[in-house]
Amino acid sequence: AQSVTQLDSQVPVFEEAPVELRCNYSSSVSVYLFWYVQYPNQGLQLLLKYLSGSTLVESINGFEAEFNKSQTSFHLRKPSVHISDTAEYFCAVSSFSGGYNKLIFGAGTRLAVHP
Amino acid sequence: DAGVTQSPTHLIKTRGQQVTLRCSPISGHKSVSWYQQVLGQGPQFIFQYYEKEERGRGNFPDRFSARQFPNYSSELNVNALLLGDSALYLCASSPGRWTGDIRPDTQYFGPGTRLTVL
Repeated sequence: AQSVTQLDSQVPVFEEAPVELRCNYSSSVSVYLFWYVQYPNQGLQLLLKYLSGSTLVESINGFEAEFNKSQTSFHLRKPSVHISDTAEYFCAVSSFSGGYNKLIFGAGTRLAVHP
Repeated sequence: DAGVTQSPTHLIKTRGQQVTLRCSPISGHKSVSWYQQVLGQGPQFIFQYYEKEERGRGNFPDRFSARQFPNYSSELNVNALLLGDSALYLCASSPGRWTGDIRPDTQYFGPGTRLTVL
């Protein structure tokens, strides 16, 4: 069975500092990986995804994630964070079984950016 | 274009009651999935519907049911509510077919319905 582990439940960081949110997955088949962001009292927004091809994927707001098959990881990074990046971040893997895809999520990492 | 919409935004019920949550997918999307997000946890898959047929069901009791209508909107019903059903219920819609370079199963989430069971 596929699973996702987010290694840090909370990550405090100062504004303009770099940040890394860690995600490891387990899967015996090809994987599609995602990062979603959830701002307070809102739903989930897709931040970036890895489907195939280049192992480094980028979002429009400066985040990037690298797929590492040997380490089964998909860590999210940003070189310089802003106050507005404060949110909950969820790593997810797409699980194909029984003729349909569903998302399996990690428990989330709360990123708190301080001035 | 409007995104995924869900109603109501918030809901308070008591134990034993029944609740119906509603979801309207993005225009043109044919698939709807439901997830439960308990406070402090990641979302858990409940159901997926495509073209009005149930495609998949997560590990939830029979008190949970859903359906999809001809206009692709969907309802999630929960009977005999328990305190543990308190959660944010998220609906996600998917195109169901390739749209440019967007995969058929790419999921776009709504804002959710926050259910509180007292």
